[in-house]
Amino acid sequence: QKEVEQNSGPLSVPEGAIASLNCTYSDRVSQSFFWYRQYSGKSPELIMSIYSNGDKEDGRFTAQLNKASQYVSLLIRDSQPSDSATYLCAVKGNTPLVFGKGTRLSVIA
Amino acid sequence: GAGVSQSPSNKVTEKGKDVELRCDPISGHTALYWYRQRLGQGLEFLIYFQGNSAPDKSGLPSDRFSAERTGESVSTLTIQRTQQEDSAVYLCASSPGQGNTQYFGPGTRLTVL
Repeated sequence: QKEVEQNSGPLSVPEGAIASLNCTYSDRVSQSFFWYRQYSGKSPELIMSIYSNGDKEDGRFTAQLNKASQYVSLLIRDSQPSDSATYLCAVKGNTPLVFGKGTRLSVIA
Repeated sequence: GAGVSQSPSNKVTEKGKDVELRCDPISGHTALYWYRQRLGQGLEFLIYFQGNSAPDKSGLPSDRFSAERTGESVSTLTIQRTQQEDSAVYLCASSPGQGNTQYFGPGTRLTVL
């Protein structure tokens, strides 16, 4: 059973702070890693994808991947109230994409 | 270009009835996925179509669930003899190929009374 684990939260951070979202996965042959954002009542939308070890930055978002530790994270700098949502980690190996249950982030103004 | 579309957006049905949910993927996307999301829960994989290959049905929860896709076009998810526990949002996603980014439709909210 391929598993993707996330802390369900809620993770509360003050506006302007860095939010750190973490995800671990069990399948060592995983190759592709994705972070999706899901607002309440809406469908998931892609935030970041990462395929190799290290950091990948896109605006206020940085994805970090460590395949040896089977760990992927998402950092959100200068968090805004509009970032309040559930963040889903998704991992792809030799099977269809496996999603974590998501971490609910609340950015407090 | 148009994104993934799903219909209906909402469906209320009575226990025991059959329902059919439709997904129109992004044009040219060879891969199509169905997921179920219960209230406050994560995404449950149901079924995956890739081109003309046999679909991966490993996530279908029971034989009441089935899905079809003709070529690289529309897909329908059918739930027979619906039960109250089938109430959820059913999400469809498509991607240019296996392993690529998935783009989600708006979902169909199914309520079984």
